[in-house]
Amino acid sequence: DQQVKQNSPSLSVQEGRISILNCDYTNSMFDYFLWYKKYPAEGPTFLISISSIKDKNEDGRFTVFLNKSAKHLSLHIVPSQPGDSAVYFCAASGDSNYQLIWGAGTKLIIKP
Amino acid sequence: EPEVTQTPSHQVTQMGQEVILRCVPISNHLYFYWYRQILGQKVEFLVSFYNNEISEKSEIFDDQFSVERPDGSNFTLKIRSTKLEDSAMYFCASSEPDRGVPNEQFFGPGTRLTVL
Repeated sequence: DQQVKQNSPSLSVQEGRISILNCDYTNSMFDYFLWYKKYPAEGPTFLISISSIKDKNEDGRFTVFLNKSAKHLSLHIVPSQPGDSAVYFCAASGDSNYQLIWGAGTKLIIKP
Repeated sequence: EPEVTQTPSHQVTQMGQEVILRCVPISNHLYFYWYRQILGQKVEFLVSFYNNEISEKSEIFDDQFSVERPDGSNFTLKIRSTKLEDSAMYFCASSEPDRGVPNEQFFGPGTRLTVL
């Protein structure tokens, strides 16, 4: 069951540059999409979300873009900072329930 | 800042034993969840709980699992007879969906369950 896919297990970006993390989904019933960040030995931390009625949501250095026709979303982090090094999870849910369906995660490494 | 807490941080048990994982959700939250992540695999939804009853559960959440809110602050996950494949990191989360950011779930640090 691969309803939410993050095809890049890892991504390495130079400090100060833009990090782009990608996520694809297959279930057209998903209404909400969220990005979580996870450090080792900690629980996931909510970063930013987007409703399916929008195509962009911005919060400081973080912007999420949603392309419903392509069933694709991306998280942009600009500028990237060393503290951004973590595993980033894409998650989705439908309007009728609150369970989150998770991608496998992308490990982001910010190089100084 | 309010946070979700979980105890213990690491639980080691023998196969067939019962374990109880404990969570204290954020105090004004209404929805509570358990997820698990087997090493090297995705985070998987187990169960959600609202108004003192289960609102959703996954196929993983079989008769060996149960949840309870024994008082106004704790939320527990019980595994009656643990199996080797129950070894995983278990995350508790809570949310208040009516706040206007649907499904913004706040997670605890997790309990690592090791079944021997």
